[in-house]
Amino acid sequence: GENVEQHPSTLSVQEGDSAVIKCTYSDSASNYFPWYKQELGKGPQLIIDIRSNVGEKKDQRIAVTLNKTAKHFSLHITETQPEDSAVYFCAASRYNTDKLIFGTGTRLQVFP
Amino acid sequence: ETGVTQSPTHLIKTRGQQVTLRCSSQSGHNTVSWYQQALGQGPQFIFQYYREEENGRGNFPPRFSGLQFPNYSSELNVNALELDDSALYLCASSLAGHGNTEAFFGQGTRLTVV
Repeated sequence: GENVEQHPSTLSVQEGDSAVIKCTYSDSASNYFPWYKQELGKGPQLIIDIRSNVGEKKDQRIAVTLNKTAKHFSLHITETQPEDSAVYFCAASRYNTDKLIFGTGTRLQVFP
Repeated sequence: ETGVTQSPTHLIKTRGQQVTLRCSSQSGHNTVSWYQQALGQGPQFIFQYYREEENGRGNFPPRFSGLQFPNYSSELNVNALELDDSALYLCASSLAGHGNTEAFFGQGTRLTVV
């Protein structure tokens, strides 16, 4: 069935360093790949997304890359700050209002 | 804030009971999706409602049911609660159709079944 794998499950970095989270999806019909940040006690918050007709997208310190041939996509956070500490989820779907298949999450800790 | 609100925020129920969770979608959105998030896991898709009709369902038994109202708010009903139903239940609203938008999540309802 449809599946999204996410690595690593935990990631600890020093403030100012970069963090990279990687995901692999199984459904070749997937065309929409959002990333969500979830803080304790809150719902997931959309931070960036990418569609299959684009290979890379950047928004300030956050960037996402997509390799549709390999079915891989990655989140890159540069110049990390303590407030970036949260659980990050990747997801895949066929279009942006379709059901989302989520990865298992990455707990990012940024130490001052 | 996303404009998606869920109630209640926390709920404790006994095994075998029934529960109703509510979601108010963001203004202008016509689609509501429900997800179950077990502790330490990613959200799992339960079902989606579009213009008051079920529009897709995940791998959940029939005791999970839903409704969407004319104002696009939604309810999730779970009958015959089991201990494994303990989870954070999330709703997400979006606009499907012309000018469609991404899904925005509410803060969730934490359900504990004892």
